[in-house]
Amino acid sequence: SQQGEEDPQALSIQEGENATMNCSYKTSINNLQWYRQNSGRGLVHLILIRSNEREKHSGRLRVTLDTSKKSSSLLITASRAADTASYFCATDAGTGGFKTIFGAGTRLFVKA
Amino acid sequence: DVKVTQSSRYLVKRTGEKVFLECVQDMDHENMFWYRQDPGLGLRLIYFSYDVKMKEKGDIPEGYSVSREKKERFSLILESASTNQTSMYLCASSHRGHEQYFGPGTRLTVT
Repeated sequence: SQQGEEDPQALSIQEGENATMNCSYKTSINNLQWYRQNSGRGLVHLILIRSNEREKHSGRLRVTLDTSKKSSSLLITASRAADTASYFCATDAGTGGFKTIFGAGTRLFVKA
Repeated sequence: DVKVTQSSRYLVKRTGEKVFLECVQDMDHENMFWYRQDPGLGLRLIYFSYDVKMKEKGDIPEGYSVSREKKERFSLILESASTNQTSMYLCASSHRGHEQYFGPGTRLTVT
């Protein structure tokens, strides 16, 4: 099974609302990353959080990491229609940075 | 500006054909990756390479091979394309332990 699993699979919100996506993983990690994918395109890296960090911010994004629960969350504040995309968490699965394992993603739809 | 390019955005091939997908990065990254993406399954790693001429199998290497003769170029080869290899193929590169940069993807259809 996949190392990273996102929850929910799909999320629909109104513009201006906050969106929260969760990710759980199974084995120890060195870092966890979040990526965005617009329909039919390649993935774009959003943020990387290392295993010794608990929270990280980038613009309207906030990522938390709880290594004791093997989980992470991505919060997008004041969402915009342009945030409509799929969001993936990815971990290095303790491979020393050689491999990254992606979850199946959360599909976010922001209604204008 | 960081760039990963893939040789084709869309490709249609017939069953049994040999297919080459090329990926080039201009960031001097050591690591390069090939994934396939299918609905509901996320990204699955086919092969990756951490140096020139080095390759490692990912989670689903069957039916695929790769070549990395130069640091900037990583090729994915379908020796004999089959319909179950119809998919979106994504190439990525990275420095070890850092974020990956993705190409735009190649949507391959095998008929």
